[in-house]
Amino acid sequence: GDSVTQMEGPVTLSEEAFLTINCTYTATGYPSLFWYVQYPGEGLQLLLKATKADDKGSNKGFEATYRKETTSFHLEKGSVQVSDSAVYFCALSENYGQNFVFGPGTRLSVLP
Amino acid sequence: DAGVIQSPRHEVTEMGQEVTLRCKPISGHDYLFWYRQTMMRGLELLIYFNNNVPIDDSGMPEDRFSAKMPNASFSTLKIQPSEPRDSAVYFCASSPLSSLTEAFFGQGTRLTVV
Repeated sequence: GDSVTQMEGPVTLSEEAFLTINCTYTATGYPSLFWYVQYPGEGLQLLLKATKADDKGSNKGFEATYRKETTSFHLEKGSVQVSDSAVYFCALSENYGQNFVFGPGTRLSVLP
Repeated sequence: DAGVIQSPRHEVTEMGQEVTLRCKPISGHDYLFWYRQTMMRGLELLIYFNNNVPIDDSGMPEDRFSAKMPNASFSTLKIQPSEPRDSAVYFCASSPLSSLTEAFFGQGTRLTVV
């Protein structure tokens, strides 16, 4: 079945540091890929998405490129802020929105 | 639209009691998902519906868990009887019929069974 693997956290960075959170996936077809963010005490919010190979999703300074050849969708940000501290989930969906599959989440802490 | 609405936000109950969690999806969305989040197991899909019909309930942990969707605007997740190990945050999400579109999550219900 489909699955998503993320780098284990927690990740602790200083403000303005470069961020990479690795994500790889296994899917039978051609999924859409997503990054969600969860702030403390809240639900998951979509951060960015990509729906086909080589697409780049971007939002709030975060970027991720859909790499079909390496089945990856790594999340990057050039300069993190304290307000980026949250848990980040990589996810995929196939079959017209059925059954979103989430990775385990990566907790990011950004220190001032 | 107000987004996906879940109630209650917090629930504390005693072991053995029945618990009912409620969800109102975004109007027009065809899919509804119930997830459970714990520190140990992360985010787990429990069940999802398409047009009010349960499609996959393989994630429902035990017969104590049941979910219904009597109409397009309402779903319930019931635990009877509840146990301390059911303590978690339960999320409801909805999505329209398209793999190009994300799932929209509610704020979650934090359940504590004592």
